[in-house]
Amino acid sequence: GENVEQHPSTLSVQEGDSAVIKCTYSDSASNYFPWYKQELGKGPQLIIDIRSNVGEKKDQRIAVTLNKTAKHFSLHITETQPEDSAVYFCAATGYSTLTFGKGTMLLVSP
Amino acid sequence: GAVVSQHPSRVICKSGTSVKIECRSLDFQATTMFWYRQFPKQSLMLMATSNEGSKATYEQGVEKDKFLINHASLTLSTLTVTSAHPEDSSFYICSAPVYRDTEAFFGQGTRLTVV
Repeated sequence: GENVEQHPSTLSVQEGDSAVIKCTYSDSASNYFPWYKQELGKGPQLIIDIRSNVGEKKDQRIAVTLNKTAKHFSLHITETQPEDSAVYFCAATGYSTLTFGKGTMLLVSP
Repeated sequence: GAVVSQHPSRVICKSGTSVKIECRSLDFQATTMFWYRQFPKQSLMLMATSNEGSKATYEQGVEKDKFLINHASLTLSTLTVTSAHPEDSSFYICSAPVYRDTEAFFGQGTRLTVV
């Protein structure tokens, strides 16, 4: 089955800095890679996703890159704000079941 | 966008009782829904896949007689934690894909505390 590794487990940045979270996956058949933001006590919210036929996708301050050859994908957040503080999960799937990374707690200090 | 509604958001129950959690897709039909369990500061662990009109598929190590899943319609799946014990206390989250192999939308989660 699929195995997703996510790093770092925690990330502290100053407001305005950029944050990068990286994930690797094992199953070359995976073709869909979503990123979720989870605030305390709430369910995960999809923030951006990418499919295997695309190398990069951007939505305002958030971007995701995918390297299928190396089997890794990354989340980039620019101009971070305190409200970006949350736990971020990457996931991968080739079918209907998502495999999640272990999460990254992002702390953005004012 | 697609919305998945989960109810209740919090529940406290006594040991030995059963608790039912509902997951509804509000603006789309979901033949499949997923139930996850999340311990504090940990990732989401898939418990089972709920299939409309057929039996749920449970992940290894998940007791199907303890976590009863019913997917009675294309918009509703329920998870019943039977004979709950304190170790069942956790955050339970459901999700539903809008289309196969595409984004999954999550419910708000249910914080279960068994006392």
